[in-house]
Parts: sequence; structure tokens; C-alpha cells
Amino acid sequence: QVRLVESGGGVVQPGRSLRLSCAASGFSFSNYDMHWVRQAPGKGLEWVAIISYDGSNKYYADFVKGRFTISRDNSKNTLFLQMNSLRAEDTAVFYCTKGYGSYYFDDWGQGTLVTVSS
Amino acid sequence: EIVLTQSPGTLSLSPGERATLSCRASQSVTNSYLAWYQQKPGQTPRLLIYDASSRATDIPDRFSGSGSGTDFTLTISRMEPEDFAVYYCQQFGSSKWTFGQGTKVEIK
Repeated sequence: QVRLVESGGGVVQPGRSLRLSCAASGFSFSNYDMHWVRQAPGKGLEWVAIISYDGSNKYYADFVKGRFTISRDNSKNTLFLQMNSLRAEDTAVFYCTKGYGSYYFDDWGQGTLVTVSS
Repeated sequence: EIVLTQSPGTLSLSPGERATLSCRASQSVTNSYLAWYQQKPGQTPRLLIYDASSRATDIPDRFSGSGSGTDFTLTISRMEPEDFAVYYCQQFGSSKWTFGQGTKVEIK
């Protein structure tokens, strides 16, 4: 079955960087668009970024403003999110999600918590 | 960017009652690319409805979606104990994906 396992979260000071990873298994990773979605503690869902199945197209939420970069390594079935210039408001659980068609999300990892605090 | 506004914020119902959740978009949603997700405490979201009215795999037929343009509705015909959760709508347009703020359906 589909398995998505995020890692790389932790506590980081404002202005610093963090790189998240998502290891995928149980499906043909290279055939699917992949997304990052985040959820601040006790809050709603917020889409962050998408990368197309072959890595050729990437789109970001407006609030990213050039700070985050999504990438993937299809040879290793792994999705990444490089986050720079982190702010307190970036504190959230970050989920990697598999695209359902071009417009939705189906399978989700359990998430990795990023806490931005001095 | 299209903003989705869900109402009500909280819905208090008893098992067996009908639930009607609303999602209103700030602009027309392209081709009704709108979905509904259910999230229970400590769990990840589950896709219920896509393309405004198509049920996802293994979703019971008590869940139905309707609407077009800027107004969409998720209906749960008879609430089961396992249906008490937070529900989010989500849309795609102009290479952006956005979620509503969620409606919590709680036991009355």
C-alpha cells in the first residue's frame, strides 16, 4: 500500500533553514505529482507547493515568496522541501501528499513538525 | 488567489441527523475543481468528494457533494458516530490550490 514518511522537522531559529524529506513507497512515485501541505497547530490546512511527476513544473503558494524550494529524486522515490528564511508563522506540521489526478490530494504522510522559535 | 469560506464554523448535530456544510468561493471555481476532505483528531485528511460531486473510492453514499460556480455544498444524509470530524473544502485554479478554513461537526 502507499506509504509516505516525512522527516527533517525540528526546532529552528527564525531566519534559519531546514530541509524536509518524504520517502515514498507502494506506488510508482515517478508517475505522480507530489505536494507539500502544512497545518499550524490547531489550525486548518494550507497548500505549500507542488512538483510535477518529472520535476519539470513547480508551483508555490504566495506566502512562500521565494523562500521554499520543492524538488524530488525519482531514482530514490523521495520528495524534498528546502525551507529558507523561516519565520515563526511557518510553525506547522508539514505533510507530503500524493496528487489525485491533477487537482486533488489522496494519500498523506503522517507529517513532520517544524517549530520556528528563538 | 481564490478564497474559500466555509460555513458554519461549527455544526452541532445528533447521530441520524442530516448535515449540510457550505463552501463559498471568492471567484468562480474552474470546471468545478472542488473537493471535500474529512479530518479526525490525530489523523490525516481523507478525500471524500472531488469534482464537486464525485465520491472518492470507498466513501459511503451518505456523503454527497453539489454545487458549481462559487457555491458548493457537502451533505451527509444521516450522521453516523464516525462522521463527527472537521471537514475542509479545497479548490484548484491558476496553478494554486487553496483550502477553506474548515467546519467542525460535533456531537450535540
